[in-house]
Amino acid sequence: EADIYQTPRYLVIGTGKKITLECSQTMGHDKMYWYQQDPGMELHLIHYSYGVNSTEKGDLSSESTVSRIRTEHFPLTLESARPSHTSQYLCASSLAGVGYTFGSGTRLTVV
Amino acid sequence: DAKTTQPNSMESNEEEPVHLPCNHSTISGTDYIHWYRQLPSQGPEYVIHGLTSNVNNRMASLAIAEDRKSSTLILHRATLRDAAVYYCILIRQGAQKLVFGQGTRLTINP
Repeated sequence: EADIYQTPRYLVIGTGKKITLECSQTMGHDKMYWYQQDPGMELHLIHYSYGVNSTEKGDLSSESTVSRIRTEHFPLTLESARPSHTSQYLCASSLAGVGYTFGSGTRLTVV
Repeated sequence: DAKTTQPNSMESNEEEPVHLPCNHSTISGTDYIHWYRQLPSQGPEYVIHGLTSNVNNRMASLAIAEDRKSSTLILHRATLRDAAVYYCILIRQGAQKLVFGQGTRLTINP
């Protein structure tokens, strides 16, 4: 059973639209992460958070932004979607950096 | 961060053991060896981790070389559901993030 939830599972949206990808976890984990993965390619860390009101950029530059107002919630926002943003976005959480749990991902297609 | 080296792909047969190698020659004393796997169309899932001693759990076994410069993930009896990309990752004690490499794509033949 999943303790970390991502919605939507699939999203097809037009260029220029603002989108928010939701990620919630029920485990009380302090650390949360967003990864981006193109088909058949490796995962790249784009954002992470150590706790409430803490956000950091990851190893791969991304035009998306994140917020962490509540421990359990770590949404990712794209202000103006472009076809280059088409990818899979995976959310993860961990307790003190040990034992990471991943969501099932959101597969985003921008047309 | 210390790097790991894994074969790009491996193939095995159903119900046979599978040994997935990982080299990490620049490992430091506080680096834990973690294995994750990613099934098709899913997020990665934790498999096993260790520091120095061999480890066993219900999913797999982890054999760590005495000098810690390499390790092997062992699936004792592969099933078709074990077909996935397997990632060997070093996580330093106190590290804040998980960094993935390319992993090994494991194919299981019926």
